[in-house]
Amino acid sequence: GAVVSQHPSWVICKSGTSVKIECRSLDFQATTMFWYRQFPKQSLMLMATSNEGSKATYEQGVEKDKFLINHASLTLSTLTVTSAHPEDSSFYICSARVTGVDGYTFGSGTRLTVV
Amino acid sequence: RKEVEQDPGPFNVPEGATVAFNCTYSNSASQSFFWYRQDCRKEPKLLMSVYSSGNEDGRFTAQLNRASQYISLLIRDSKLSDSATYLCVMDTGRRALTFGSGTRLQVQP
Repeated sequence: GAVVSQHPSWVICKSGTSVKIECRSLDFQATTMFWYRQFPKQSLMLMATSNEGSKATYEQGVEKDKFLINHASLTLSTLTVTSAHPEDSSFYICSARVTGVDGYTFGSGTRLTVV
Repeated sequence: RKEVEQDPGPFNVPEGATVAFNCTYSNSASQSFFWYRQDCRKEPKLLMSVYSSGNEDGRFTAQLNRASQYISLLIRDSKLSDSATYLCVMDTGRRALTFGSGTRLQVQP
């Protein structure tokens, strides 16, 4: 079935550094990729929607200059957390809709810890 | 008011028990509904879609009540492996999925 491969699975970084998270669609083309963030014991919150070849759409309250999204091809979308701070520590996960499949396909998630 | 409301639990039940979760939603334009399962520190995985006519998949039964704007999930003969967080999810057709905060189930031996 359709798979979204997400890397890295976990990352620990120092405050002020940037971290890039990649999501690749395998065996299908993802024109749209959704990026979510999940804090402990909370629901997945949509951060932004990335569209291949155009600018991402960010949800209210999400800083577009801090969370850079690039969707340069139909199989790759990236989220870069710039100048990370401890409050950015969270579980980041991408998702794509696959034609003909109920629901959405998720990447395996990236657990970011900023120290 | 949250778009999707769920009882966070935890629901602690013995093996073999029957347990039911409910979820209410506020957006009447919601078109599709799902139950996802999320294990600790893992991505959500689709458990089943939810239809007005109700649907069953083995030990799991889901039901949608559009008039009252709630969906339910029934798990019969609970197994230890059913321990997880169950997410109530909807698709309004306009953008990404909307997730509830989840109901945690702990099945005990």
